[in-house]
Amino acid sequence: NAGVTQTPKFRILKIGQSMTLQCAQDMNHNYMYWYRQDPGMGLKLIYYSVGAGITDKGEVPNGYNVSRSTTEDFPLRLELAAPSQTSVYFCASTLLDTGELFFGEGSRLTVL
Amino acid sequence: LAKTTQPISMDSYEGQEVNITCSHNNIATNDYITWYQQFPSQGPRFIIQGYKTKVTNEVASLFIPADRKSSTLSLPRVSLSDTAVYYCLVAGNLFFGTGTRLTVIP
Repeated sequence: NAGVTQTPKFRILKIGQSMTLQCAQDMNHNYMYWYRQDPGMGLKLIYYSVGAGITDKGEVPNGYNVSRSTTEDFPLRLELAAPSQTSVYFCASTLLDTGELFFGEGSRLTVL
Repeated sequence: LAKTTQPISMDSYEGQEVNITCSHNNIATNDYITWYQQFPSQGPRFIIQGYKTKVTNEVASLFIPADRKSSTLSLPRVSLSDTAVYYCLVAGNLFFGTGTRLTVIP
């Protein structure tokens, strides 16, 4: 099993550009999450989903959008990139909301 | 949602036992407590989960008192490779705290 796969691993954007971070899991997990982690800081929840077709905001949703059309995929869209969005983005999934979270390897985004 | 509080950092010498305590005063009756380890440039990795009393696996032990308002992660005989950030998370609560940065000294 591949687990949670994130692409791309690295990306540099110019201010105002848009992009989508991809996240896919092959464990048939219902719950999926997007976190961002700034240097030396903890993880902050951006968006989460409890199943296909259902998404909800986390702590820091501004400047981002998500969709969950299938159980496997949970892409994160950045519109009008800003330097404040420079961070490492982690996608995670779990079968039950009380269970172990499985994380991807992260996507490092730099906005210049 | 149960907010968690942990020490920001800890130092330990190799070979010592390390105990990291997490406070979660508002934990709900059905909540489990989960601990994660994160190395630089990697996603957090599950270490252990428990509900009450003591849980032990090949990596760590987790002690939870009867009132469940705190929990202690115990790492036996740490090595340099245990240098990482450790997060306590009340399962079902989606928000990570700042974690505890453990530095193991030779």
